[in-house]
Amino acid sequence: DTGVSQDPRHKITKRGQNVTFRCDPISEHNRLYWYRQTLGQGPEFLTYFQNEAQLEKSRLLSDRFSAERPKGSFSTLEIQRTEQGDSAMYLCASSPLDSGRGDTQYFGPGTRLTVL
Amino acid sequence: AQSVTQPDIHITVSEGASLELRCNYSYGATPYLFWYVQSPGQGLQLLLKYFSGDTLVQGIKGFEAEFKRSQSSFNLRKPSVHWSDAAEYFCAVGPTSNDYKLSFGAGTTVTVRA
Repeated sequence: DTGVSQDPRHKITKRGQNVTFRCDPISEHNRLYWYRQTLGQGPEFLTYFQNEAQLEKSRLLSDRFSAERPKGSFSTLEIQRTEQGDSAMYLCASSPLDSGRGDTQYFGPGTRLTVL
Repeated sequence: AQSVTQPDIHITVSEGASLELRCNYSYGATPYLFWYVQSPGQGLQLLLKYFSGDTLVQGIKGFEAEFKRSQSSFNLRKPSVHWSDAAEYFCAVGPTSNDYKLSFGAGTTVTVRA
């Protein structure tokens, strides 16, 4: 068990550029989540996958955001035409598919995005 | 919809002293409750969780939490704080029967003084 990994750990970009983040969940974890955390706040849910199916999206996920999990393993989160308000820590988590809603979510180290 | 309130934004405690972090939740049914800890620039590490059964839950690093349904609370405690406990602590509730997301409080920052 190597834990959830995220790449890159830090990203600095200029406003208007596109960025893409990658998340590799714990192997054999079927569920994968993306959260966003701004300074002084707790993480806020963005989206959730069960295997390759994206089952839930938050209203926070505007049209500029897209997430994929093409083979049910790693996931990518893309932000198009970045804005300064997108500056945040983007956290990925995964959980196993077993007994239902009690699954524990294990978090990665996050990707810190700074939009200049 | 479920929600979490952490009333204390910042707590300062002396090393060796006890620590209690408050968490109040809003949820219509039996909640699933979690405490996570986050060190600066890092992701979240699970300290403990409550699903059902014994209302006093033991976690890692010497932490425990008590679920009190009558008070809608899930307070985190540690009898003797170490300098390495300085971090931000998040209480979370969920998932529900309709979705799988966690809803987090705003967090409590703990500073440990020598």
